[in-house]
Amino acid sequence: EIVLTQSPGTLSLSPGERATLSCRASQSVSSSYLTWYQQKPGQAPRLLIYGASSRATGIPDRFSGSGSGTDFTLTISRLEPEDFAVYSCQQSGSFGQGTRLEIK
Amino acid sequence: QLQLQESGPGLVKPSETLSLTCTVSGGSISTPSYYWSWIRQPPAKGLVWIGTISYSGNTYYNPSLKSRVTISVDTSRNHFSLQLSSVTAADTAVYYCARYDYGDHKYFDPWGQGTLVTVSS
Repeated sequence: EIVLTQSPGTLSLSPGERATLSCRASQSVSSSYLTWYQQKPGQAPRLLIYGASSRATGIPDRFSGSGSGTDFTLTISRLEPEDFAVYSCQQSGSFGQGTRLEIK
Repeated sequence: QLQLQESGPGLVKPSETLSLTCTVSGGSISTPSYYWSWIRQPPAKGLVWIGTISYSGNTYYNPSLKSRVTISVDTSRNHFSLQLSSVTAADTAVYYCARYDYGDHKYFDPWGQGTLVTVSS
């Protein structure tokens, strides 16, 4: 079973700043199968990035994904107020524990 | 636009069986390109995949839950269901249903809004 570890657990930033979130796999995974979701309080997860770097429909281009092997990154280039949420990575049947992005 | 909606009891007693249904609207559950999944999220914790079913009834379960989980599909009603037996307080969670794209990228989208199930006497 692949374990996905996300860091940091909580990230405190201000609007306009750049956010970098990490997802590390316990063994090498195909980048084709690495997905990122955004989840706001009381809402279901929303597909953000699939195939490690492809934005889902309607996702702004300030969101980008990268990585390969065991290390993957979600970057938000310039934070907007609506970006403060929990972000989770997923590979097949495994999810990371999530990174909470909060307003500083 | 495809939509999924979970339904079922919000309160289940310990040792009993949790039963939920996910109704799919705006599209057919019999689409060969997709599977259908259940995922849960305990309070203040991360997402946990429970299992997945194809429209033809092939099932795939999380090994940690496999002994207690049954997922079934009813194509005539365009819905699929989850049964989790012998529940304990640890099964308290928001339960989501989602479509699983098992093609080139293997992701869950879209998701239902989720339903909170509390296990308590």
